[in-house]
Amino acid sequence: QKEVEQNSGPLSVPEGAIASLNCTYSDRGSQSFFWYRQYSGKSPELIMSIYSNGDKEDGRFTAQLNKASQYVSLLIRDSQPSDSATYLCAVIFDYGQNFVFGPGTRLSVLP
Amino acid sequence: NAGVMQNPRHLVRRRGQEARLRCSPMKGHSHVYWYRQLPEEGLKFMVYLQKENIIDESGMPKERFSAEFPKEGPSILRIQQVVRGDSAAYFCASSPGPGQGAHEQYFGPGTRLTVT
Repeated sequence: QKEVEQNSGPLSVPEGAIASLNCTYSDRGSQSFFWYRQYSGKSPELIMSIYSNGDKEDGRFTAQLNKASQYVSLLIRDSQPSDSATYLCAVIFDYGQNFVFGPGTRLSVLP
Repeated sequence: NAGVMQNPRHLVRRRGQEARLRCSPMKGHSHVYWYRQLPEEGLKFMVYLQKENIIDESGMPKERFSAEFPKEGPSILRIQQVVRGDSAAYFCASSPGPGQGAHEQYFGPGTRLTVT
């Protein structure tokens, strides 16, 4: 069974803090990992993709991948109220093409 | 480039009718994916298509649902004899295919289907 799990929300952080979102996946052979943001009533927006172990930074966002431990995380620095949304982790298992999405973590950034 | 386009944005059908959802991928993209999202739930993969070819339909219900991506025109997700449980948001995504960023999927605005 190919599964993607995310820590349950809602996760509340104060404005300006670092928000940490975690994701674990079931298949050690997975190669491709993605973070999406979805505002209520809207479609998912791609934030970042990561394929290699280590950190990948893009502005206030940092994705971290550890294939040995089968987890991928997303850090949001200097969190803003506009970051309040549901964050979805997506994994491509083996060498397939289709995503398996996690259930999402709802983030609330408090002014 | 225009993004992924879906229409209609909202669709109301009575039980037993047919629903047709359309998706035009982003310019230059040759891969299309359909997902379903129930209220307050996650995204569930349904089907992955390339032009004139279904690559993976493992997430598609066996009955009443079909999808196509013809050589010309948009991809179409078709739901026959709709039931109330089909009420959901249906999202289409596209990706460029081979090359850098091949697997990055970009989503359309979705079609919200309501079955009355």
